[in-house]
Amino acid sequence: NAGVTQTPKFRILKIGQSMTLQCTQDMNHNYMYWYRQDPGMGLKLIYYSVGAGITDKGEVPNGYNVSRSTTEDFPLRLELAAPSQTSVYFCASSLGGAPLHFGNGTRLTVT
Amino acid sequence: GDSVTQMEGPVTLSEEAFLTINCTYTATGYPSLFWYVQYPGEGLQLLLKATKADDKGSNKGFEATYRKETTSFHLEKGSVQVSDSAVYFCALSLVGQNFVFGPGTRLSVLP
Repeated sequence: NAGVTQTPKFRILKIGQSMTLQCTQDMNHNYMYWYRQDPGMGLKLIYYSVGAGITDKGEVPNGYNVSRSTTEDFPLRLELAAPSQTSVYFCASSLGGAPLHFGNGTRLTVT
Repeated sequence: GDSVTQMEGPVTLSEEAFLTINCTYTATGYPSLFWYVQYPGEGLQLLLKATKADDKGSNKGFEATYRKETTSFHLEKGSVQVSDSAVYFCALSLVGQNFVFGPGTRLSVLP
C-alpha cells in the first residue's frame, strides 16, 4: 500500500518558471490537502479538496492553482515561480474527520 | 480563530531523560487533538490522538491526555531514545473544518 505519493522529491526553478507538483493517493480518501512548510514554521494550508471536482482555498493560496479530476490525484500548479515560494510542499489525504496521511514532501527552491 | 501553541524549541535531552512538550489550544468548538511526528527528510506521521476530554492517546511510549479544563494536550515520554529525535507537531481538528497545526518543536536526543 503506497499511501500518499509525491513527485518530484526535489526541484530547482528559476523565477517566472512554472511547474506542477504531483500527488496521488491509493487509499480512496475523499479529502486531499496541500501544505507548505517554511523553515522553523508550522504548516500552512494552500488548497484543499473534499472530493473530485471540488477545490477550495486555504490560508495561503496566492500563486498556486489546483485541480481534482479524480479521487486519487491532486496536482498543485505554480504558474510564475517567485523566491517566496521556496519551501517544502506536503500533500495529505484523509477520510473526512480522520487523521491526515502525508506524503514525503517536495523540496522546491526558486532562484 | 482556532489556534495551537507549542513550547519553543529546540529541546535537547540526554538518552533516557523524561520528555514533556507543552501544547495548548484555542477552539470555538470541541476539537479532536493530535500529535504528529516528522523524522528528517520525511512527511508527518500520526503519533497519537484523542477525541474527547480525559482521553489519553498513547503510542511508542508517548502519551498525551486531553485536558478540556486547561485546553491542553501535553506530550510526554518517560525515557527518550536517540531515535526519538524529530520535530513534533500538535494539531487540532474540528468537525467539518480543516486541521490547525502548531509551529512544531524540534527534539534532539543525545546518546
